[in-house]
Amino acid sequence: SQTIHQWPATLVQPVGSPLSLECTVEGTSNPNLYWYRQAAGRGLQLLFYSVGIGQISSEVPQNLSASRPQDRQFILSSKKLLLSDSGFYLCAWSGQLNTEAFFGQGTRLTVV
Amino acid sequence: KQEVTQIPAALSVPEGENLVLNCSFTDSAIYNLQWFRQDPGKGLTSLLLIQSSQREQTSGRLNASLDKSSGRSTLYIAASQPGDSATYLCAVKVLIRRQLTFGSGTQLTVLP
Repeated sequence: SQTIHQWPATLVQPVGSPLSLECTVEGTSNPNLYWYRQAAGRGLQLLFYSVGIGQISSEVPQNLSASRPQDRQFILSSKKLLLSDSGFYLCAWSGQLNTEAFFGQGTRLTVV
Repeated sequence: KQEVTQIPAALSVPEGENLVLNCSFTDSAIYNLQWFRQDPGKGLTSLLLIQSSQREQTSGRLNASLDKSSGRSTLYIAASQPGDSATYLCAVKVLIRRQLTFGSGTQLTVLP
């Protein structure tokens, strides 16, 4: 069966520090991968999605970037965190086109 | 641009009641619609996936319907239990793009 791992679960980082969140999927190949952010009291905002290795689409201009170095690995990064980067970050995967999407357990990021 | 609306934003019911959560979307050109459950501080758990060609899906006490032409979906929960308390999110996958667009969710509280 397929599983998705996301870490760390919680993170407290100072303003201006770098960020690296990692997400890996097991049990499938060539998944579509997604990074979402959920701010307090708001809906999920799509940040990045990837349909293959090295293929990244950005949805929102911001302080973050994403990379997909391997088929089932998706990394969210920042060189310098802002206070506004605080939130709940969720990684997700799906098969091609009209298949079900599955989410990781999320990372709670607090920038102080 | 696809917009997804969920009404009500919050709902409180006594245990044992049947209830309906509503989801509406503005663009009927969708691949599918998916209902999720989110517990506080956790990731999203997929509940039901309805393909654009389907009218409804059932899983246990849950039944989701889809009326694509009117841009509406409902999630019916039968015989609600305190363990059903969570935020319920609906999301649509549009034909042109490969990602999900989410509503803001309905926070459900089932009182014992």
